[in-house]
Amino acid sequence: AQSVTQLDSQVPVFEEAPVELRCNYSSSVSVYLFWYVQYPNQGLQLLLKYLSGSTLVESINGFEAEFNKSQTSFHLRKPSVHISDTAEYFCAVSDSIQGAQKLVFGQGTRLTINP
Amino acid sequence: DAGITQSPRHKVTETGTPVTLRCHQTENHRYMYWYRQDPGHGLRLIHYSYGVKDTDKGEVSDGYSVSRSKTEDFLLTLESATSSQTSVYFCAISETGMGEKLFFGSGTQLSVL
Repeated sequence: AQSVTQLDSQVPVFEEAPVELRCNYSSSVSVYLFWYVQYPNQGLQLLLKYLSGSTLVESINGFEAEFNKSQTSFHLRKPSVHISDTAEYFCAVSDSIQGAQKLVFGQGTRLTINP
Repeated sequence: DAGITQSPRHKVTETGTPVTLRCHQTENHRYMYWYRQDPGHGLRLIHYSYGVKDTDKGEVSDGYSVSRSKTEDFLLTLESATSSQTSVYFCAISETGMGEKLFFGSGTQLSVL
């Protein structure tokens, strides 16, 4: 069965500083990777995803993640964070994109932005 | 925002009582899911549905049952609630497979005393 490990449960950073949230997954022949974000008292929202093609994927709000097959990683980065990025971030993996999206989620990383 | 409504938003109940959580969607999406969220565990899939009356188990299905009699409604039932089922429950929907995103509801906070 697939598994996902998010290496940091909490990451505090200062506003405008860069940030990296780490995610490693268990190896599989085919893997599809996702980052979801959860703002306080809300459900999760998709931030970005890797299905195939370019290993670097970007979101509309400046986040990017790189699929690294040799290191089984899908780390999330942003060069300059804002207060509004304060949220919990979840990495997720699926070994199939057919049918139901049975995602396996990591434990989550709480990103706190300090002014 | 996708039209997903979870009810109730908050519930406190006692051990051994039955509890039903409801997820209602207005998007006519085929797939519906129930997840639970617990600190240190992220989200874990309880059950999912791929059509009316078509459901299957997720990774943490013990103690839970589901039903989907209409496209728009997906019910999660705890037949006899236990304290270990205290959690935040999220419903999600997706229209097709092919790696599309899940749309999540706002969650139900359930406390079993």
